[in-house]
Order: sequence, then C-alpha cells, then structure tokens
Amino acid sequence: EDQVTQSPEALRLQEGESSSLNCSYTVSGLRGLFWYRQDPGKGPEFLFTLYSAGEEKEKERLKATLTKKESFLHITAPKPEDSATYLCALFSGGYNKLIFGAGTRLAVHP
Amino acid sequence: DGGITQSPKYLFRKEGQNVTLSCEQNLNHDAMYWYRQDPGQGLRLIYYSQIVNDFQKGDIAEGYSVSREKKESFPLTVTSAQKNPTAFYLCASSPRTAGTDTQYFGPGTRLTVL
Repeated sequence: EDQVTQSPEALRLQEGESSSLNCSYTVSGLRGLFWYRQDPGKGPEFLFTLYSAGEEKEKERLKATLTKKESFLHITAPKPEDSATYLCALFSGGYNKLIFGAGTRLAVHP
Repeated sequence: DGGITQSPKYLFRKEGQNVTLSCEQNLNHDAMYWYRQDPGQGLRLIYYSQIVNDFQKGDIAEGYSVSREKKESFPLTVTSAQKNPTAFYLCASSPRTAGTDTQYFGPGTRLTVL
C-alpha cells in the first residue's frame, strides 16, 4: 500500500537555526512528490514538485530534495514568518490520486 | 485574479441537517477535488471530478454527495448520514488528474456540528 510518513511531527527552531524536514514514502510508481505550506485556518499553498531521484528545487530559504525513498525540505536561516505546517504528498500512479502525510508543524522563534 | 473560492468560511450544522459547501474556480481547470482535514491526519480525498457531469468516489465518500454541472463549480453536500462531519473541508483543482499536474487549494470551510 502506498504510504507517506513525515517527521518530526513538530519542530521548534530559533531564528537562523537551519534544519530539515523529512518525508519518507513507499509507492508503486512515483509520478510526482509535492510540498505544500499551510498556515492555520487556511488552505495549503503549493511550494515544489519533484519528479525523479536526485532532483532539487529552491525557493528563498527553502530547498527540496528527492531520493528513491524520501524527500527533504531544508530550511536555511529560518525566520518567524516561516512558521507553518509543511505537507508532503505523492501522486500514486497505482491509485491515481494524491496521498498526503500528516505534516510537520514548524515554529520559528525570534 | 485567478483562483479558487470556497464559501462559507465557517458553517454550523444541526443534527439531521444537510449542508452544502460551495467551491468555484476560474483557472479553467478540468479536475476538481474535495478533501477533509482532521487534526493530526493527512488530507483525505472525498470525491473528485475529471470532467463536467462525471465524478468518482475517493477514500471517504460515505455521507457526502457532489455534482459537477459546470466546469468551474463543484459543490459538496454533507448529508445527515455523515456521522462525524466536524472538520476542515478543502477544495482543490488541477489542469487534469495526471500525476504531473499540481493541485491548487482554496481557503477552506470549517464545518462544526452543534
């Protein structure tokens, strides 16, 4: 069965303290892995799509990477405004739908 | 501005009532989706539609119904048969249902059962 697991569930960082969020997956035929940012009470905001192992994408302080078993969202020198829940989802070719992880709640303190 | 709108933002339902959540998009996307989000869980797919007048059940369709009479609209009805409807409901759209197509989300509707 296709599955997505995100870790840690919650992460607290000091401003400027770099770290990484993990998304591990098992899938029969990966067609795309997606990262979203979600603020409390709002809909998810699209960040990145990765399609193949070795691919990397960057946006401001965020960089997403992909291997055959997991994806990382690296946050460099985070600021308080980066506080949010980060969601990982993969498109399962076998089930023709997005499968979401439970998310990582990130809190960045000044 | 192009995007997805959902209304209302907050909705309260009494026991035994049916309620309808609105979702509209002006992105000219073919595919539309409804998800349910509960605390500590990933988004779960309720229904999706790839074209007008056609839709498929997702993982948790029981107690819900949808229609797709227009390309830009995909309303969700939460019926009295849904035993635990309190949740955050998210509508999304994508150009198609292909794996390479990004799904874009609306702002959500929070439904509470009184």
